[in-house]
Amino acid sequence: ETGVTQSPTHLIKTRGQQVTLRCSSQSGHNTVSWYQQALGQGPQFIFQYYREEENGRGNFPPRFSGLQFPNYSSELNVNALELDDSALYLCASSKGQGNQPQHFGDGTRLSIL
Amino acid sequence: AQRVTQPEKLLSVFKGAPVELKCNYSYSGSPELFWYVQYSRQRLQLLLRHISRESIKGFTADLNKGETSFHLKKPFAQEEDSAMYYCALRGQGGKLIFGQGTELSVKP
Repeated sequence: ETGVTQSPTHLIKTRGQQVTLRCSSQSGHNTVSWYQQALGQGPQFIFQYYREEENGRGNFPPRFSGLQFPNYSSELNVNALELDDSALYLCASSKGQGNQPQHFGDGTRLSIL
Repeated sequence: AQRVTQPEKLLSVFKGAPVELKCNYSYSGSPELFWYVQYSRQRLQLLLRHISRESIKGFTADLNKGETSFHLKKPFAQEEDSAMYYCALRGQGGKLIFGQGTELSVKP
């Protein structure tokens, strides 16, 4: 069983740039959730995708957007990067929309200069 | 409001001592609660969930709706238990709401 994989592992960008982070869900999982984890904090929910549609969104501005593909992999896009966007971005996958547990990837460490 | 509070950022105990990591939540309705653990240089992984009522690696957690708590306990801490522990609540739409985390340090 293949776990959740994220790419890249690290990324450095400058203010105002745009970034795309990628996530492959665990085999058999069709729901992907994205979280932002700032240093010293717990993960914060950004949004969730189920069967290629956004299925819930946290308190993040519209410059945070995403996609889910037919194979259930997903992308997180962030436009007009700000210094405060520096964080670890975690992807988690699960089966269905019910009460199945979420399985996390290793994350992408994004640094904004 | 839906919220999870872990009041301790760091908990330091000696090997063999009992451990209790505190978690309080705020949620209207029937909560679904989890403990996730992150060992050094590893990904966040599910430790246990309250609906399973199971014991993993000697850890247990009981949901106390009266006190709105879901504390994680282990009677005898081991050095390999040193890690970051996050309490999480399943919110609307299936999203997870995490606490700030407690770092457990078990000294020899």
